[in-house]
Amino acid sequence: QSALTQPASVSGSPGQSITISCTGTSSDVGGYNYVSWYQQHPGKAPKLMIYEVSNRPSGVSDRFSGSKSGNTASLTISGLEAGDEADYYCSSYTSSGTGVFGGGTKLTVL
Amino acid sequence: QVQLVQSQSGAEVKKPGASVKLSCKASGYTFTSYNVHWVRQAPGQGLEWMGIINPSGGITRHAQKFQGRVTMTWDTSTSTVYMELSSLRSEDTAMFYCARHNSGWAFDYWGQGTLVTVSS
Repeated sequence: QSALTQPASVSGSPGQSITISCTGTSSDVGGYNYVSWYQQHPGKAPKLMIYEVSNRPSGVSDRFSGSKSGNTASLTISGLEAGDEADYYCSSYTSSGTGVFGGGTKLTVL
Repeated sequence: QVQLVQSQSGAEVKKPGASVKLSCKASGYTFTSYNVHWVRQAPGQGLEWMGIINPSGGITRHAQKFQGRVTMTWDTSTSTVYMELSSLRSEDTAMFYCARHNSGWAFDYWGQGTLVTVSS
């Protein structure tokens, strides 16, 4: 199972919006609404930000939103804040009954 | 509150060819009601899904690349899941996380991680 494709890095200024894409295939991202997104700060465990494409867990800011079109899922962060600077990973269920992560995207808040 | 506490030692150092068995103790929820995943992260690299275990039925699945090397088990009496990786090589050096499965395919709670270093 190949990793899902994410941009290596994105950046934005405080208050702006950014979008991170996550491209897979019809056997993973495109085939199921089981895409989730994780935020990871250096030296910390990942944190769930979005599940089932567009749902936010309790406690996650509504500045974070998710969507999907075809084989590509997206995470949008609006009103960027300094604390959003982190690595972001997408994950999907696959037709093999296994899981796969994206390669990760480093978000820099300028 | 939900907690996943991984191996108390915090870190393991193993020689190539050896095996390592990691633990993940769950608390704050009904242990048999949620599957648990194992995810690893090599230094400076991304997350890699390794496998999933159902502590109720004992069913496990793992990524093809770990075929023949990974064994996941559980102990209901202590609410602990284990992951053993054998035939270790230097490329297995990584932080290993356990994470609770929820809602379709999401990992809602994570352990603190155990660093495994494979070196001669």
